[in-house]
Amino acid sequence: GEDVEQSLFLSVREGDSSVINCTYTDSSSTYLYWYKQEPGAGLQLLTYIFSNMDMKQDQRLTVLLNKKDKHLSLRIADTQTGDSAIYFCAQGAGGGNKLTFGTGTQLKVEL
Amino acid sequence: DVKVTQSSRYLVKRTGEKVFLECVQDMDHENMFWYRQDPGLGLRLIYFSYDVKMKEKGDIPEGYSVSREKKERFSLILESASTNQTSMYLCASYGQISGNTIYFGEGSWLTVV
Repeated sequence: GEDVEQSLFLSVREGDSSVINCTYTDSSSTYLYWYKQEPGAGLQLLTYIFSNMDMKQDQRLTVLLNKKDKHLSLRIADTQTGDSAIYFCAQGAGGGNKLTFGTGTQLKVEL
Repeated sequence: DVKVTQSSRYLVKRTGEKVFLECVQDMDHENMFWYRQDPGLGLRLIYFSYDVKMKEKGDIPEGYSVSREKKERFSLILESASTNQTSMYLCASYGQISGNTIYFGEGSWLTVV
């Protein structure tokens, strides 16, 4: 079945770049997503990438997709304390189809 | 703004009790989902619904049922709560008009004692 894996923790200094990695198994996934969950809150969609793209940039966020290796990454430039959260990678067929989520990566930003 | 509202943020229930978790969305979305979130396991899909009175099992439906009598409301039911159902429950919705965005509620923390 589908499987999405992430490392559980990442710690960076404020102002540095953060790179959160994700591997997935379902090669038929049409869309790959990054969600952010702040403490005590639900999930907020940060960005997504269509499977025929290699890269997508949105302000401080850069998503890289290596379809051959089934590897997705999220780079946050100039990481701020407000970026501290859990980041979930998810894969899906798009539309209302169900998403398969990774375990989430807890990002801690230190001063 | 789309709003997905979960009626209870924090609940404490006893083992064996029947538990209802309610979710309402205000954007006329066709699809609604219930996930549970556990540390180290991420989000796992319990049930989803793509229309009124329609439901599909997700990855971990055992011990749960759902009800979708109205389009805006999707209820998760624990017929007889057990301690291993202590978790954070997240409701989500999606519709044709929301593009590629699935919207989540803020979550319901359920503790079963």
